[in-house]
Amino acid sequence: DAKTTQPTSMDCAEGRAANLPCNHSTISGNEYVYWYRQIHSQGPQYIIHGLKNNETNEMASLIITEDRKSSTLILPHATLRDTAVYYCTWYVNDYKLSFGAGTTVTVRA
Amino acid sequence: SAVISQKPSRDICQRGTSLTIQCQVDSQVTMMFWYRQQPGQSLTLIATANQGSEATYESGFVIDKFPISRPNLTFSTLTVSNMSPEDSSIYLCSAVGQDSNQPQHFGDGTRLSIL
Repeated sequence: DAKTTQPTSMDCAEGRAANLPCNHSTISGNEYVYWYRQIHSQGPQYIIHGLKNNETNEMASLIITEDRKSSTLILPHATLRDTAVYYCTWYVNDYKLSFGAGTTVTVRA
Repeated sequence: SAVISQKPSRDICQRGTSLTIQCQVDSQVTMMFWYRQQPGQSLTLIATANQGSEATYESGFVIDKFPISRPNLTFSTLTVSNMSPEDSSIYLCSAVGQDSNQPQHFGDGTRLSIL
C-alpha cells in the first residue's frame, strides 16, 4: 500500500493560498507522487504529479522535498469550488493507486 | 487526458439482485480498474480489468461477487452480484494510458443503494 500521512482537515479563506502537506516516506526512488481531489458526488480529479522537481500547472503547484519523503500541494488562490477531499498517492505496483483518508479542505468566503 | 463515462450514474436495487455497471473510455488505454467507495470512506481497489483475460482481484474481493469483463481497450463492465445492503457504495472506474507515469483518470462513479 501507499502509506501516506495527511492532515484530516484544513480550512482556507477564499482568495488565499492553501498549502496541503503529505508525508510519503516509503515512496521508492523512481515513483511519481500524484495528487487528486474529490469534490462531493464526483470521481477523483487528477491535479498534478511530480518526481523530484517542483511542478506547476494551471490548477496547482507541487513542491517535493529533496529526500522525496514529503510534498506540498499549493492552491495559489483558493476558491469556493476548491472545497474537496485531497489525496496524495503513487503507483504502488502495476499502476495501482492506494488512497488514504486524504485531507478535507473547506474554503470559506 | 482520457474521458471516462459510467452507466448508470445511480441506481436503487433490491436485495438479491445483480447490477452491471458499464465503463467507457474515449481512447484506448492500457489499464482499467474498478474501485469501491463506501459511505464516508476513501477508495478501495476491487480489481484490475485485464483486456482479453480474467480480472486480477485484490484481497477481499472475489470473482463470483464482482465479475468483470474487458472485451477491448476502451470498455469494461463490473457486475455486483447477489446484492445486499452492505454493497451500497459508489463504484468507480478508472483508466491509465499507454505512456509510463501518466496519471490515472476516473469516471464519476455509480452510486448504488440496496434496499
